[in-house]
Amino acid sequence: DTAVSQTPKYLVTQMGNDKSIKCEQNLGHDTMYWYKQDSKKFLKIMFSYNNKELIINETVPNRFSPKSPDKAHLNLHINSLELGDSAVYFCASSQRTGNNEQFFGPGTRLTVL
Amino acid sequence: SQKIEQNSEALNIQEGKTATLTCNYTNYSPAYLQWYRQDPGRGPVFLLLIRENEKEKRKERLKVTFDTTLKQSLFHITASQPADSATYLCVAYSSASKIIFGSGTRLSIRP
Repeated sequence: DTAVSQTPKYLVTQMGNDKSIKCEQNLGHDTMYWYKQDSKKFLKIMFSYNNKELIINETVPNRFSPKSPDKAHLNLHINSLELGDSAVYFCASSQRTGNNEQFFGPGTRLTVL
Repeated sequence: SQKIEQNSEALNIQEGKTATLTCNYTNYSPAYLQWYRQDPGRGPVFLLLIRENEKEKRKERLKVTFDTTLKQSLFHITASQPADSATYLCVAYSSASKIIFGSGTRLSIRP
């Protein structure tokens, strides 16, 4: 009964490669998010989608492109991976935007060599 | 710049005591704050939400306060237990959908 799932859990890749991380939520929520957690454990929001529409787009390199095929899925595609992209990426969802609790996925640990 | 600071990187207390964690914000007026718990290797889990017009919220052994004059939120765990050991994150939300996470406080409860 996983509420928010991410695949893969671990991703090890070479610099310059292109990779994708998938996220799915089965909670019927309207809003989904991508966060990056760096080695110092800071969680920073990257993107937020509401009903497949981009509503938050923080200052993130345009190598990162979110894609929402439907409101239950928000995938993150990263082009030309760099060493500094190594981090844990969390997907989350909430019922709607605003003051709603967020449900987080288990995270994807990305290591760029 | 807008900042959320959780004053203690780590807090170590004796089982049974009350743990108090602090979250301060600067150059920012959050409409509400949330507190999350994060265990190693896992995603954060929601605990409590408090709005700017609320002074205090409680849930079982947890209590959170919001002081807009001091620009501070306090998070308390009473009768702490070793199972409460985790990292606790303060999150601020503005009315413009700006979301800022604090860096977290790692709480250890020793038996």
